[in-house]
Amino acid sequence: AQKVTQAQTEISVVEKEDVTLDCVYETRDTTYYLFWYKQPPSGELVFLIRRNSFDEQNEISGRYSWNFQKSTSSFNFTITASQVVDSAVYFCALSESSPPLGGGSNYKLTFGKGTLLTVNP
Amino acid sequence: SAVISQKPSRDICQRGTSLTIQCQVDSQVTMMFWYRQQPGQSLTLIATANQGSEATYESGFVIDKFPISRPNLTFSTLTVSNMSPEDSSIYLCSVSASTDTQYFGPGTRLTVL
Repeated sequence: AQKVTQAQTEISVVEKEDVTLDCVYETRDTTYYLFWYKQPPSGELVFLIRRNSFDEQNEISGRYSWNFQKSTSSFNFTITASQVVDSAVYFCALSESSPPLGGGSNYKLTFGKGTLLTVNP
Repeated sequence: SAVISQKPSRDICQRGTSLTIQCQVDSQVTMMFWYRQQPGQSLTLIATANQGSEATYESGFVIDKFPISRPNLTFSTLTVSNMSPEDSSIYLCSVSASTDTQYFGPGTRLTVL
């Protein structure tokens, strides 16, 4: 069964610090997709990045970077020079190409429990 | 990405009543999903809304409690039936053009008294 673990429940940093959010996943599929979403206090879920299982290249987008390592089943997210506006709950998620053994949809998103990031001025 | 709207944005309901939540997309999409986010918790998939056929429900969710309609490729509804305080949650719809990224609507905050 697919599973996503975000061990860090809450992280608090001071503005301009770098911060890394950890994500570890479990899957039986060889083809799968990993995602990061941001949920600010307003509640809307904002898509940040999608990575497929065959692409292990790290990615950088402005102050955001992602480190995907299949060997350790991890997909970590780093914010460089954090800002107050980065304060939010961040979710890591996984979708598989195969339908679950117990029924249900394939390509559904399985979310981690989320990490609450607070950036203090 | 598609523009997704949900109605209502929030509601307060009495126990035993039902509420229908609408999800509208500004372009045709292949897949539409309904998720629930209980207070302080992560998101859990309720069902996949299939156009022209019955929804595919996840384990723990049943059609009698959460009937879903999807009459076309841009619209879906989720009904929360016979509500109890345990149904107080944020309900979110998401859409995907294929097997690609899911984009989420703004959510419906439901409080059941």
